[in-house]
Amino acid sequence: GAVVSQHPSRVICKSGTSVKIECRSLDFQATTMFWYRQFPKQSLMLMATSNEGSKATYEQGVEKDKFLINHASLTLSTLTVTSAHPEDSSFYICSARDSSGRVYEQYFGPGTRLTVT
Amino acid sequence: GESVGLHLPTLSVQEGDNSIINCAYSNSASDYFIWYKQESGKGPQFIIDIRSNMDKRQGQRVTVLLNKTVKHLSLQIAATQPGDSAVYFCAENSANTDKLIFGTGTRLQVFP
Repeated sequence: GAVVSQHPSRVICKSGTSVKIECRSLDFQATTMFWYRQFPKQSLMLMATSNEGSKATYEQGVEKDKFLINHASLTLSTLTVTSAHPEDSSFYICSARDSSGRVYEQYFGPGTRLTVT
Repeated sequence: GESVGLHLPTLSVQEGDNSIINCAYSNSASDYFIWYKQESGKGPQFIIDIRSNMDKRQGQRVTVLLNKTVKHLSLQIAATQPGDSAVYFCAENSANTDKLIFGTGTRLQVFP
């Protein structure tokens, strides 16, 4: 149980285009999902907290107009990287908290490798 | 031995030896700590967790030690195997927030 999927696993896009990444909780409901970014040989940095039915909360330094988050259902959150540039190339990872589980417990997706050319 | 690279410290151990990975956390209000294993190109995988009211917790081949006095966390892996090769992250959570804050990570390399 407690499986989180991400789609796509890899995406290559041209500079200036937008890319949407999906995060799904497959066997549980998640009122809260989190989006992280990870550059090579570095740790996971929290970008934003996504709450179902409300606006996402962004961490300091993360542009909300560039990284659009939508959490329209209890099993799906999407991250759209708008007008992507090469410096946005990174590994994007989502996690989901089981609404019925322990408040601290997060289940992580497999990540999405974004390459902007 | 242990070395510090540009971004990621590396611990090299021989197969069968015990590994100890250390982590210093920053927030004295943190009350829940987790160790994750991350293999190349994959998301973090839960290993073991510990609450602040404990100082030791054991799992299968793994033990987590918590020293709140010096804000230090360690992960001990017994009889390290090649499949243990990965990057290990500690993460902390405070009761005041629902966020996980990740440490810098340590790369574990296991040699035959």
